[in-house]
Amino acid sequence: AQKVTQAQTEISVVEKEDVTLDCVYETRDTTYYLFWYKQPPSGELVFLIRRNSFDEQNEISGRYSWNFQKSTSSFNFTITASQVVDSAVYFCALSERNYGQNFVFGPGTRLSVLP
Amino acid sequence: DAMVIQNPRYQVTQFGKPVTLSCSQTLNHNVMYWYQQKSSQAPKLLFHYYDKDFNNEADTPDNFQSRRPNTSFCFLDIRSPGLGDAAMYLCATELAGGQGTDTQYFGPGTRLTVL
Repeated sequence: AQKVTQAQTEISVVEKEDVTLDCVYETRDTTYYLFWYKQPPSGELVFLIRRNSFDEQNEISGRYSWNFQKSTSSFNFTITASQVVDSAVYFCALSERNYGQNFVFGPGTRLSVLP
Repeated sequence: DAMVIQNPRYQVTQFGKPVTLSCSQTLNHNVMYWYQQKSSQAPKLLFHYYDKDFNNEADTPDNFQSRRPNTSFCFLDIRSPGLGDAAMYLCATELAGGQGTDTQYFGPGTRLTVL
């Protein structure tokens, strides 16, 4: 069965610091999809990124960047120059096969960015 | 804007009194999901509909039922809420098929309180 681990339960940083959220996954499938979602205090899960298992290119979107390494089964998320609005719980998730079957969330990392 | 809408955002019910939560979407997605999220935990999948086909997770209690009368709407019925059912309930949609799994888009959630 697949599994997602986010070892960091809570992280606190001061505004403008860079922060990396770790995600390690387990799966037996060769085809799978990895996701990051943000959940601010309002509760809505906001989609950030999807990456399929055949695409190991790193991605940058503004202050956000993602590092996917199949060799270590990791899909880490870095926020550069963090801001108070980045404070949220961040979930890494894994999906095998089609249409979200076996869609599994990690336990989440609570990020607090202090002014 | 196309979106996933959940009503109400906050619902209070009494122990044992049936309650229905609703979800609607303007994305025309063929898959709709219901998740339960308790405090400081990851979302847990309850069930999903692929078009009209209902798929229940093995550990979803019988107390939870769902209806999908058409593509746009999906309801979560809790027949006899217990104190342990107090949680955030998240609806998500996905356009599935063809090239593998797509992304789940979440509504803002309904926070259920059981008195």
